Amino acid sequence: QSVLTQPPSASGTPGQRVTISCSGSSSNIGTNGVNWYQQLPGTAPRLLIYRSNQRPSGVPDRFSGSSSGTSASLAINGLQSDDEADYYCASWDGSLYGLFGGGTKVTVL
Amino acid sequence: EVQLVESGGGLVQPGGSLRLSCAASGFSVSSYAMNWVRLAPGKVPEWISYIGRSNNIIYYADSVKGRFTISRDSAKNSLFLQMNSLRDEDTAVYYCARDGGTNWDLDYWGQGTLVTVSS
Repeated sequence: QSVLTQPPSASGTPGQRVTISCSGSSSNIGTNGVNWYQQLPGTAPRLLIYRSNQRPSGVPDRFSGSSSGTSASLAINGLQSDDEADYYCASWDGSLYGLFGGGTKVTVL
Repeated sequence: EVQLVESGGGLVQPGGSLRLSCAASGFSVSSYAMNWVRLAPGKVPEWISYIGRSNNIIYYADSVKGRFTISRDSAKNSLFLQMNSLRDEDTAVYYCARDGGTNWDLDYWGQGTLVTVSS
């Protein structure tokens, strides 16, 4: 079964830019793009980015996404203390199942 | 306002069964694909099932195939997950999530319901 690979952690000081990578394969990100979710402790995941680079209404434009081939990245500009959370990439795989990445814990120093 | 409210979780012994419900408001469950996703303590989200807008498109994760059944009732505007032959490793918070229709973007999630499988 395919996997989506993320770094386990990322950090930055307030105001800095943090980027998170997500590596997949041609059967998932390469075909279906990627979505990004933010999860705060004890809450359900929240959709941050869909179709690799689109923001749902209500998501600050400090969050942006990009993708190229079988990889994608999420950028957080102007890091704030309430951005401290777990971030997951996700994609539908052509073998007919949903995939979540291993998650990246973002710490605001 | 779109809302999803799960119920039906609880403590069950290994080998037992539970039926989870997800009541929707603000939209019709029959107009969207829907999913169940679970989150076990200390683990990453795990997708477990998908039902398309037409009920004949249903997918399951290998970990639950043959044991779990997803369904929906348009009259009740609800999604369900029948879970049989439960195992310790099925212990998790179970979320229903709406598929926004753009490459499996899960745009609305419920608050989750806790399932604990233990003797």
